[in-house]
Amino acid sequence: GDSVTQTEGPVTVSESESLIINCTYSATSIAYPNLFWYVRYPGEGLQLLLKVITAGQKGSSRGFEATYNKETTSFHLQKASVQESDSAVYYCALGDTGKLTFGDGTVLTVKP
Amino acid sequence: NSKVIQTPRYLVKGQGQKAKMRCIPEKGHPVVFWYQQNKNNEFKFLINFQNQEVLQQIDMTEKRFSAECPSNSPCSLEIQSSEAGDSALYLCASSLRTGGFYEQYFGPGTRLTVL
Repeated sequence: GDSVTQTEGPVTVSESESLIINCTYSATSIAYPNLFWYVRYPGEGLQLLLKVITAGQKGSSRGFEATYNKETTSFHLQKASVQESDSAVYYCALGDTGKLTFGDGTVLTVKP
Repeated sequence: NSKVIQTPRYLVKGQGQKAKMRCIPEKGHPVVFWYQQNKNNEFKFLINFQNQEVLQQIDMTEKRFSAECPSNSPCSLEIQSSEAGDSALYLCASSLRTGGFYEQYFGPGTRLTVL
C-alpha cells in the first residue's frame, strides 16, 4: 500500500533559524499522488498547510514551502525563518483517489 | 477554519460496550471520511462516503465497525464491541468532491478510551 515517511521528532529550533522537515513517499495505488502538509497547532484541529497536485511544482503558505519531486519521491517542508508560533505537529500526506495516507508526524518546538 | 463538528469530544467505554460518535460535515460537503489516529500518532483510514453511499472502506470497518451518513442527519461511526486496541482519536473529515486533490477539512476528533 501507500506509505509516507517523515523526519522523526521532536525537532527543536530557535526562532529565526531555518527549518527542513523531510518527507518521502511510496505510492502504489496511483502513479502521481497529490501531496499535502497538514499541521496541528496546540489545542487545535488538523488543518491543511499546503498542497501540490502536480509533480515538479512548489506549494507555499505562511512562509513554508514544499516542492513535489517525483524523481526522489520527496516533498520536504522548508521555512527560511521560523517563529515561535510555528510550534506544532506537522504531517506529510499523500492522496490517491480519495483517502489520505499520513506520515507519523513531526513535533516542532521553536524556542524564543 | 474547519466547521466540521464532532461529538462527543471524549468517550469512555468498557470492553465489549458499544461506542458511537457523530460528525456533521461542513455545509455543502457531500464527501465524508473517518480516520483513526492511535497513540503512536499513526493514522488509519476507515471509511468514506459520498452522500449516503460508501465509497471505500477497510476490512476492519466491515467487521466490528459500522458507519452511516443518512440524509439530513449527522454521520456516525459505531464500534459494536469495543476493545482496548480501539482506544484512539477518531477524526471525521469532509470534502467538496472525491478525488485526492480536494482538501479535506477535519473536525476536532472524538477521543475514545476503552477501559
